[in-house]
Amino acid sequence: EPEVTQTPSHQVTQMGQEVILRCVPISNHLYFYWYRQILGQKVEFLVSFYNNEISEKSEIFDDQFSVERPDGSNFTLKIRSTKLEDSAMYFCASSEALAGWTGSSTDTQYFGPGTRLTVL
Amino acid sequence: AQSVTQPDIHITVSEGASLELRCNYSYGATPYLFWYVQSPGQGLQLLLKYFSGDTLVQGIKGFEAEFKRSQSSFNLRKPSVHWSDAAEYFCAVVTNAGGTSYGKLTFGQGTILTVHP
Repeated sequence: EPEVTQTPSHQVTQMGQEVILRCVPISNHLYFYWYRQILGQKVEFLVSFYNNEISEKSEIFDDQFSVERPDGSNFTLKIRSTKLEDSAMYFCASSEALAGWTGSSTDTQYFGPGTRLTVL
Repeated sequence: AQSVTQPDIHITVSEGASLELRCNYSYGATPYLFWYVQSPGQGLQLLLKYFSGDTLVQGIKGFEAEFKRSQSSFNLRKPSVHWSDAAEYFCAVVTNAGGTSYGKLTFGQGTILTVHP
């Protein structure tokens, strides 16, 4: 069964450093998402991405964050200058259609295993 | 804005006992509802989803959930819990066509399930 993959599984970085989290979505999916989960808190939406553009972003997704689909398979999240509060599990997800648009199974978002980011 | 509430932070059951995890949503239009499970150190796995039609939906691993519009609920059930079901369970909602926020899943705070032998 196709799955979303993420690398690395764990990233440790110093405050102020740039990090790039990588994701390989399911191959026929067109919509891509990043979520994060700070330890002990809810999973929070960060950004959705389609056709090489951001569809929606949350308040969390400020100028320090950026997303890119550099080639036909990868989807990346970059944090330019990490802060202590960026420490979290970051999940990538993908779907065939935009969740909520068609009301069908193609809307379903499939999640990767996550990257645990630790900022020291 | 839509919101999801899972009233129970932590539930403990004995193996073989029945299980019900509660989920309430606040959303004006037709919600699309999901249950995901997260095992320790793992990502989020889709258990089941409701888009329309039959309000009782079946999922993987023997789970089912019932959508009750009158109660704004989407509770997850399993008749007989196995030790391997110990995990954290998340209810989530996404807006539908006509809303303003496509693609964004809003999650509840999660319910941790502990299973005693």
